Amino acid sequence: GAVVSQHPSRVICKSGTSVKIECRSLDFQATTMFWYRQFPKQSLMLMATSNEGSKATYEQGVEKDKFLINHASLTLSTLTVTSAHPEDSSFYICSATFGGNRELFFGEGSRLTVL
Amino acid sequence: KQEVTQIPAALSVPEGENLVLNCSFTDSAIYNLQWFRQDPGKGLTSLLLIQSSQREQTSGRLNASLDKSSGRSTLYIAASQPGDSATYLCALATGNQFYFGTGTSLTVIP
Repeated sequence: GAVVSQHPSRVICKSGTSVKIECRSLDFQATTMFWYRQFPKQSLMLMATSNEGSKATYEQGVEKDKFLINHASLTLSTLTVTSAHPEDSSFYICSATFGGNRELFFGEGSRLTVL
Repeated sequence: KQEVTQIPAALSVPEGENLVLNCSFTDSAIYNLQWFRQDPGKGLTSLLLIQSSQREQTSGRLNASLDKSSGRSTLYIAASQPGDSATYLCALATGNQFYFGTGTSLTVIP
């Protein structure tokens, strides 16, 4: 199946700093990429949907200035958590889809801890 | 709005047992349904994808069925193994959106 790589898998940062998480589709061109946040023992919460070359569409309640999403190419999307605070600590996951069958492929996830 | 429910939230079975996980949805106008497995601290691994026009898909010990009229999908796991322990999620694609179930946490006891 198609492979989506997410990096870094774990990151620890100080409060007030910014952190960038990358999501790459390794063997296909992703028409759409999605970013999720997952709280312990809960399902995925969609944060935003991004299409290559256009601005991301954010879900209600997600601060677009805090969670910057860039989808500069068909194989790379980035999520930047700006001025991170401890409440931003969470598990962030990306997924990608391509073609017409709308099958989702997920990255390995990134655990962010803000001290 | 589409609502996706997975019951039970947690399931514990002895090794070797066959088991069924359930996924219910409220709107039958779906494009496809996908079953995933998630291990702790990891992303989601796709297990099976059933297109709207299909009734079931099989991969090894896994069999997934889809009944749109009743708003149900089941994931059948045969001869369960401790390595099957994980959280299983179903996801539906409708139009431009995806909807996720809350997951069933499966523990297979050796």
